[in-house]
Amino acid sequence: EVQLVESGGGLVQPGGSLRLSCAASGSTINKYWMNWVRQAPGKGLEWVANIKQDGSEEYYLDSVKGRFTISRDNAKNSLYLQMRSLRAEDSAVYYCVAGYGWLIDYWGQGALVTVSS
Amino acid sequence: EIVLTQSPGTLSLSPGDSATLSCRASQSVSRNYLAWYQRKPGQAPRLLIHTASTGAPGIPDRFSGSVSGTDFTLTISRLEPEDFAVYFCLQYATSPLTFGGGTKVEIK
Repeated sequence: EVQLVESGGGLVQPGGSLRLSCAASGSTINKYWMNWVRQAPGKGLEWVANIKQDGSEEYYLDSVKGRFTISRDNAKNSLYLQMRSLRAEDSAVYYCVAGYGWLIDYWGQGALVTVSS
Repeated sequence: EIVLTQSPGTLSLSPGDSATLSCRASQSVSRNYLAWYQRKPGQAPRLLIHTASTGAPGIPDRFSGSVSGTDFTLTISRLEPEDFAVYFCLQYATSPLTFGGGTKVEIK
């Protein structure tokens, strides 16, 4: 079973950038599709992006396409989310999640991103 | 995008009762790729059911899932005290993956 720990969250101004990291332990991530899922305050869960085991395929929520980039480094057992041109509506807790295929099995505890001036 | 609508929003029940939770999809979910999760405050969500009706490893058999067309149901028979939580569904058949809004099962 894989354990996932997010880092890199914080306060950023609208239009700014932030990079989230997710460190995995207990298992290698190269067997999993990796995802980012977010939850804004008072809202439901929203899938953001995912990436295939070898990094050859990526999929994004329409509202983040062109602004967010998901990437992974299997050698470092890590997942990343580069976020640019951030908006207030991107404020949320971001969860690193993993699974076999697109089924989500494992969740991190989340990193809070606040976009505000 | 497949929209998942969960009902009811809240279910007030007593230990020993059975709970029936609904997740209705706005269109067909290919291969019934619909999962159910349990979520408690301060904890990571726990996968209960995948492919509409297959229990995840280690999940008690009082949790069961079923499907009829685009209507998915999670049934919890004989509620235990630890079952009072929020339950949500996820469709993982089509991008974007989408979640239901959740059903809170609370103690009556």
